[in-house]
Amino acid sequence: DQQVKQNSPSLSVQEGRISILNCDYTNSMFDYFLWYKKYPAEGPTFLISISSIKDKNEDGRFTVFLNKSAKHLSLHIVPSQPGDSAVYFCAALNTGNQFYFGTGTSLTVIP
Amino acid sequence: NAGVTQTPKFRVLKTGQSMTLLCAQDMNHEYMYWYRQDPGMGLRLIHYSVGEGTTAKGEVPDGYNVSRLKKQNFLLGLESAAPSQTSVYFCASSTSDPGTDTQYFGPGTRLTVL
Repeated sequence: DQQVKQNSPSLSVQEGRISILNCDYTNSMFDYFLWYKKYPAEGPTFLISISSIKDKNEDGRFTVFLNKSAKHLSLHIVPSQPGDSAVYFCAALNTGNQFYFGTGTSLTVIP
Repeated sequence: NAGVTQTPKFRVLKTGQSMTLLCAQDMNHEYMYWYRQDPGMGLRLIHYSVGEGTTAKGEVPDGYNVSRLKKQNFLLGLESAAPSQTSVYFCASSTSDPGTDTQYFGPGTRLTVL
């Protein structure tokens, strides 16, 4: 049973516009959330994270929002750039230090 | 500083053959992980280790064994490969406090079982 879900397998956005990637989770015991970016033929790389005690974390063009009551987090990229085209995975960490990953969203930023 | 490396990058096995995937990290990380990535399934944790000499099962451990004899190495073994184990395998490592740090991933091993 998938505990972390990314319901949009793909997303296309014009360069300069906002990209919004969504993630839902089912386990209320998750206390730390992360976003990873993955290019083809490479391992995922860390992008940004948020603790469950916060509702927003910002790093440059990337902002992650957490809505605990809805068990939902989102990643906003503003402005989107062609180099942002990749697969984005959200992940959640439980108190047992196990990571659970979503199925990924493939973002294409159109120049 | 090579980070996390995986050997081999590609491998084709016949059903019933065995093999070992090697993961090495030079960051002195305590935690190491093995994941598999399948289309539409995301990354699923196979086994992990919280320190030298320790291993634990993840979400999908069946058909795999692991060993962590040295802190820098984490081995994933398939004793009798099956077509269902065709996947891309990623190794990762992190410090002993993964709640405030992140995992660093290797480049992956693409395994095909015929």
